[in-house]
Amino acid sequence: QKEVEQDPGPLSVPEGAIVSLNCTYSNSAFQYFMWYRQYSRKGPELLMYTYSSGNKEDGRFTAQVDKSSKYISLFIRDSQPSDSATYLCAMTSNTGGFKTIFGAGTRLFVKA
Amino acid sequence: DVKVTQSSRYLVKRTGEKVFLECVQDMDHENMFWYRQDPGLGLRLIYFSYDVKMKEKGDIPEGYSVSREKKERFSLILESASTNQTSMYLCASSLGVGAPFFGPGTRLTVL
Repeated sequence: QKEVEQDPGPLSVPEGAIVSLNCTYSNSAFQYFMWYRQYSRKGPELLMYTYSSGNKEDGRFTAQVDKSSKYISLFIRDSQPSDSATYLCAMTSNTGGFKTIFGAGTRLFVKA
Repeated sequence: DVKVTQSSRYLVKRTGEKVFLECVQDMDHENMFWYRQDPGLGLRLIYFSYDVKMKEKGDIPEGYSVSREKKERFSLILESASTNQTSMYLCASSLGVGAPFFGPGTRLTVL
């Protein structure tokens, strides 16, 4: 079993839809959770960074962490064609060094 | 803003060549990482470094080595390039348990 599981999609939605992206994980030591956006042939760009459980909002993006269920989500409101990209979840534990484990990424298409 | 730069965006090399990929960050981060990214396999950690002259093997170190002589610079070396090393190579840096910041990537093709 992979440490981090993420549905690769693709996920196709109409412009203006609310998008929900999710990851599950198995290591309860993970404390720091991230979402990255990656456009084709570019490096991943950090979108959200959260510590432990709870919600964090930044503009149209909301990140949720449920440590009891080992489940994290990214919500995108009022999705735009420019949101079309691959979204990677990532997490880091505070023990055993600072390695970050990444999900495989979900490919999102927002249709105009 | 954190800036991570990589020496080349695209690189084409021949089998058996020695290949150097350079990465520089400008935010005084102590941690630096090299990943490769392949379709269906995601990001895989090759090597990482917590400090100057320190290095740790990641999940797929075979066929690679690294060098970190200065805090801001982390080099990935392919000792003898092979076709199965054709990939997107991504460098990243972070501060403590902070989120890694990535460079633009180097797309390497080995013929």
